[in-house]
Amino acid sequence: GAVVSQHPSRVICKSGTSVKIECRSLDFQATTMFWYRQFPKQSLMLMATSNEGSKATYEQGVEKDKFLINHASLTLSTLTVTSAHPEDSSFYICSAEGGFGEKLFFGSGTQLSVL
Amino acid sequence: GENVEQHPSTLSVQEGDSAVIKCTYSDSASNYFPWYKQELGKRPQLIIDIRSNVGEKKDQRIAVTLNKTAKHFSLHITETQPEDSAVYFCAATPNDYKLSFGAGTTVTVRA
Repeated sequence: GAVVSQHPSRVICKSGTSVKIECRSLDFQATTMFWYRQFPKQSLMLMATSNEGSKATYEQGVEKDKFLINHASLTLSTLTVTSAHPEDSSFYICSAEGGFGEKLFFGSGTQLSVL
Repeated sequence: GENVEQHPSTLSVQEGDSAVIKCTYSDSASNYFPWYKQELGKRPQLIIDIRSNVGEKKDQRIAVTLNKTAKHFSLHITETQPEDSAVYFCAATPNDYKLSFGAGTTVTVRA
C-alpha cells in the first residue's frame, strides 16, 4: 500500500513559538491531503482539506490564521501551528488520498506538547 | 454535514468471544464506510471497508455489515485475541474521502 510519512513524530515547544509539521506521500502523488487533530481518548476531528496549488479549506471553528496549511507540491503538505499555546497540545495526523480506489492513508502522527 | 455515532464507547470481551461495534450515520449520500484500528500514539490502520453497493464484507475474522435503509453499519470480530485490543473507529463519507469519524470504541480482550 501507499506510504505517508509525517515529521516530526513528537515536538515539545514553548508557548508562543510556531511549529511546522510535514506530511509527505512517498510513492504516490496526492492532490488532496487532510489534516486531523486528536485529543486524548477522543476521535479524529478534521481540521482542513489541503489541495495542491490552491488554498486549504478549513472546517468550521478552525482558525486558518493559526493553522497555516501549504500544499506546494503533489507530495508535500505542511501544517504550521503559529503562536502555539498549551491548548494546542494534541496529536496531529495527516492523511492522503492514495488513488488506489477509495483508500486513505494516514501519516504516523505528530504529538505536539506546548509548555 | 455527516454525523457518525458509534456504540459502545468501551467493550470488554473474553478471548475467543465475538465483539460487535455499531455505527449510525446521518447523510444518506454517504457511500463509503471504512473501519480503522488505532493503537495508542499510532496512526489509524484500515482494517476493513465497505461500499454502499454491498451489504456485507468479510475478511478472515473481521466482517462488516451495512444497512443503507436504516443508515447503520457494524463491525464484527470473531474469535477475539489479545492483539485485537485497541481503539476502533468507524467512518463515513459521501465519496470525497472527507471522512467523518465516530467517537471510537476501546476494545479490551481479556486473556
